Amino acid sequence: QTVVTQEPSLTVSPGGTVTLTCASTTGAVTSGHYPNWVQQKPGQAPRPLIYATNNKHSWTPARFSGSLLGDKAALTLSGVQPEDEADYYCQLYFGGSQLSWVFGGGTKLTVL
Amino acid sequence: QVQLVESGGGVVQPGRSLRLSCAASGFPFSNFGMHWVRQAPGKGPEWVAAISFDGTNKYYVDSVKGRFTISRDSSKNTLYLQMNSLRVEETAVYYCAKATRTGIETDYWGQGTLVTVSS
Repeated sequence: QTVVTQEPSLTVSPGGTVTLTCASTTGAVTSGHYPNWVQQKPGQAPRPLIYATNNKHSWTPARFSGSLLGDKAALTLSGVQPEDEADYYCQLYFGGSQLSWVFGGGTKLTVL
Repeated sequence: QVQLVESGGGVVQPGRSLRLSCAASGFPFSNFGMHWVRQAPGKGPEWVAAISFDGTNKYYVDSVKGRFTISRDSSKNTLYLQMNSLRVEETAVYYCAKATRTGIETDYWGQGTLVTVSS
């Protein structure tokens, strides 16, 4: 069974920079996994921020960026704002004969 | 603007069935794939099922294969999830999500409908 892992929690100061990562038990995360990142605030539905590794939706603030970092997918927030405090989930696509999508366990980002 | 409105959630006993609906508007529904994602209380999201734009291809997470069926009715701009033999551990908020043009990523999500499986 494929497991996607993320840091359980991270803390960053306002105005700072933080990088969240996303790894897979199947091996290196590549662009072929089309890494997605979604943000979820308490009581709200998840909201996609980044798709296909590093593409932003029209509503995604410029301070969010996606990349591949070594064997992992990464989400970097530069110039963190208080409203960025949220849970962040990565999602990976696994192709082949039986397509599937797997979410990571999430990173709780605290802005302090 | 894109709107996705789920309905059909509620309280159901283990082993019983429930059908969820997702009414879509603000985009050409028949041109886009759709997904169902669920989130148990206090847990992260879990992808459940996906369907291609024309309904010919359907994909499921292993745990629901043979019990859940995703379908769509383009004449009604509505996505469905038929859930049979429900289990207690499937208590969750169920979200529908619109796929992007690739069919792989999602862009818009609904607000979800709560399904509680309990005796």
